[in-house]
Amino acid sequence: AQTVTQSQPEMSVQEAETVTLSCTYDTSESNYYLFWYKQPPSRQMILVIRQEAYKQQNATENRFSVNFQKAAKSFSLKISDSQLGDTAMYFCAFMKFGNQFYFGTGTSLTVIP
Amino acid sequence: GAVVSQHPSWVICKSGTSVKIECRSLDFQATTMFWYRQFPKQSLMLMATSNEGSKATYEQGVEKDKFLINHASLTLSTLTVTSAHPEDSSFYICSARAPGTSLYEQYFGPGTRLTVT
Repeated sequence: AQTVTQSQPEMSVQEAETVTLSCTYDTSESNYYLFWYKQPPSRQMILVIRQEAYKQQNATENRFSVNFQKAAKSFSLKISDSQLGDTAMYFCAFMKFGNQFYFGTGTSLTVIP
Repeated sequence: GAVVSQHPSWVICKSGTSVKIECRSLDFQATTMFWYRQFPKQSLMLMATSNEGSKATYEQGVEKDKFLINHASLTLSTLTVTSAHPEDSSFYICSARAPGTSLYEQYFGPGTRLTVT
């Protein structure tokens, strides 16, 4: 079975600063995808960034980047130059090829002006 | 981009009644749709996977007779909560996968808040 663990229920960061959200996962699969999703108060799930497990290079999307450590089964999200609009719940998620998501318990991020 | 809608966005029903939630893919055909449940301040938990034209596959612990899922067309899946009880109050989210796209491409609906009184 796949499990995804987010050990930080809540975090805060000053506007324009950098914050890192942690995620670890457990799987026996060798090929899979990892994701970070953002869920603002509207509850709409928004894809932030995606990482293919077979790629060694860490994914980057503008201010968002990941630190993917496959051997350690770690997948952290770094948000640079934090903005007020980044305030949301962030979910780390795992997906086997063609299968459903397994979500972590989420980290509530508050950006402080 | 791919858009998934859900209707209604919020529904209140009385205990013992049934309520239907619709999930539609607006600009693509979804061969597979997923239904999730999210309690306040908790994560999304997969309830079932539905493939067009076949019976849904339910996750362990989800009552298939209580949560009826129908995926009758490539653009519509419905979740019917039968004989609803207050403990069924939750946020229900669907996601859809389009054929011919990368297997990780899934699109989430905006969710439906169900309140059972």
